[in-house]
Amino acid sequence: DTGVSQNPRHKITKRGQNVTFRCDPISEHNRLYWYRQTLGQGPEFLTYFQNEAQLEKSRLLSDRFSAERPKGSFSTLEIQRTEQGDSAMYLCASSSGERGTYEQYFGPGTRLTVT
Amino acid sequence: DAKTTQPTSMDCAEGRAANLPCNHSTISGNEYVYWYRQIHSQGPQYIIHGLKNNETNEMASLIITEDRKSSTLILPHATLRDTAVYYCIVRFGSYNTDKLIFGTGTRLQVFP
Repeated sequence: DTGVSQNPRHKITKRGQNVTFRCDPISEHNRLYWYRQTLGQGPEFLTYFQNEAQLEKSRLLSDRFSAERPKGSFSTLEIQRTEQGDSAMYLCASSSGERGTYEQYFGPGTRLTVT
Repeated sequence: DAKTTQPTSMDCAEGRAANLPCNHSTISGNEYVYWYRQIHSQGPQYIIHGLKNNETNEMASLIITEDRKSSTLILPHATLRDTAVYYCIVRFGSYNTDKLIFGTGTRLQVFP
């Protein structure tokens, strides 16, 4: 068990560019979550997958955001036409989803800076 | 999910107990109290959760009042590595099928 990994750890991009982040959950965890965290705030939920199905999307997830989990393993979060307001830490978490479990395991996050 | 209220920040001397309060006056009967913490530049980390009984694990103790309207997370012997933001979260269910809703948490500073 190597934990949840996220790549890249840091991304600097110019406004208007597209960016893609990757999350590798803990092996065999069927639930995967994306959160966004801005400075001084707690993480905010963006979206959630059970296996390859995207089951819930926050209103924060505008049309410029898209997330996929094509084979129920790793996930990608893409932001198109980035804006300065997209600057934040993007966190991924996974959980086993089994009854009796209660932890979401978070990755270290990808820090996005839009200039 | 019920709303929680936590102090913005707290200090604690190293080696002393850190007691972090949380108010959740609108909690319903089947909502659990969860605590996570976030050390600087890391993702949040689960600490403990409970329904109505006090709970203890290797990291901390959770004391929930009898009316369940408030709770206290206790770190019995705080160390410098416990410096972090601590989040109190109320949510349905004892297993995590749903998203976490974080507030702004309590920033705990442990000093030597």
